[in-house]
Amino acid sequence: SYELTQALSVSVALGQTARITCGGDNIGGKNVHWYQQKPGQAPVLVMYRDANRPSGIPERFSGSNSGNMATLSISRAQDGDEADYYCQVWDSNTALFGGGTRLTVL
Amino acid sequence: EVQLLESGGDILQPGESLRLSCAASGFTFSNFALSWVRQAPGKGLEWVSRISDNGVTSYYADSVKGRFTISRDNSKSTLHLQMNSLRVNDTALYFCVKSRTAWFGDGFDLWGQGTMVIVSS
Repeated sequence: SYELTQALSVSVALGQTARITCGGDNIGGKNVHWYQQKPGQAPVLVMYRDANRPSGIPERFSGSNSGNMATLSISRAQDGDEADYYCQVWDSNTALFGGGTRLTVL
Repeated sequence: EVQLLESGGDILQPGESLRLSCAASGFTFSNFALSWVRQAPGKGLEWVSRISDNGVTSYYADSVKGRFTISRDNSKSTLHLQMNSLRVNDTALYFCVKSRTAWFGDGFDLWGQGTMVIVSS
C-alpha cells in the first residue's frame, strides 16, 4: 500500500523559511494536500493540489511537488505557525495522511 | 455560518456499537462528498470513510471495513457513521470533513471540532 513519509519535527528560526517535506513513491504524480493543526484544534487546509492556497491562507505559505517529494514552505516564519503539519493524498479510493511534522519556531 | 457539528461520542466497551452524527450548515450539503477522519490521542490523522455527494458510493479504510457504515441524509444535511464491533484501538476523536470540490481527489476544506469515542474494558 502507498505510504507517505514525514519528518517528526522541523525547527526554524523566527523570520526564516521552514520547509516541511512529504515523501512517497512518485508522489509527483499525485495531488498533495497539506493541513495545519494547532493543539486542541481541528486541522485546517493550508494547501491543496500541491501549490494552491485556500482563501485566507497567507502568501507566506507555498507548495511544490515533484519526483518523490512534496514540500510545504513557510517563509518569514512566525510564532503562530507553530503546529503539526500533515500531507495527504488519495490512492486507490483511499485518503492517506503522512505521519505529521511538528514545526517549532525558535 | 459554514460549519460541521459532530455528536454521538461516548465511552463504550469492546464489541459495542455506536452511531455518530454530523450536522452541516452554511453550504449546499448535497453537492459535496464527505468523510470521517479520526485521530487517536496524541497520534496523527487517519482517514476512516468517504461517501459520495448523492450517497451512492462509499469507501472505507481497511481498519474499519466490515464494521463501520457511512451514510447521509441530504434532506437533513446530516452525515452518520455507524460503528459496530468496536475495538480498543478505535478510540479516537472523530472528525466530520467536507471535500473541497466535487472532484474525488481534492482536499478537505471544512472540518468539524470532532466527537470523542473511547473504547475501554
